[in-house]
Amino acid sequence: QVQLVQSGAEVKKPGASVKVSCEASGFTFNAAYYMHWVRQAPGQGLEWMGWINPYSGDTNSAQKFQGRLTMTRDPSISTVYMELSRLRSDDTAVYYCARVESVAGPSDPWGQGTLVTVSS
Amino acid sequence: SYVLTQPPSVSVAPGKTARITCGGNNIGIKSIHWYQQKPGQAPVLVIYYDSDRPSGIPERFSGSNSGNTATLTISRVEAGDEADYYCQVWDSSSDHPPFGGGTKLTVL
Repeated sequence: QVQLVQSGAEVKKPGASVKVSCEASGFTFNAAYYMHWVRQAPGQGLEWMGWINPYSGDTNSAQKFQGRLTMTRDPSISTVYMELSRLRSDDTAVYYCARVESVAGPSDPWGQGTLVTVSS
Repeated sequence: SYVLTQPPSVSVAPGKTARITCGGNNIGIKSIHWYQQKPGQAPVLVIYYDSDRPSGIPERFSGSNSGNTATLTISRVEAGDEADYYCQVWDSSSDHPPFGGGTKLTVL
């Protein structure tokens, strides 16, 4: 079945960068699929960050993350990556990847989430 | 950017019908998706493209979308339906899919 498995929890200091991976199985990256990144701060709602098309490498991100968010992919191992730089304490959150079929489609399935804690 | 507005909380007795709204400017012309999230778990898609149900989602879950309001309806509510629910649309002007703020469904 389709499954997304993310890398483990991270603890980072303010100003550092974090890179989270999301490995896909059960489907093949092609032009129809997009991978979205969504985060959720403790006790807060879902916040969309950006998407990458793993086939073409095209990306698009929310304005608040532009300049700090880098999304990349390695189709040879069915993995996408999300790197967030210049971390601040309010970047502490659970980060999710999710598959989207056609750029405007629903997010399904989701990865299990990766907790990133930013603390000095 | 496109703003989606959800009530922070909705309460319903078991066996009754819960309606969770998602408001947005002319949201009726957009496609809306709904997610359920239980504590400590990743979100799960429950309704997509306004009213379609993924396999495995009970028929008790339904959706509608018209005018400035989309609605997720849960019939014959069960204790296991208690969760946070989020709406999401595709904003074609930005190619971004914002989420609503989420609604906590409490089963009394």
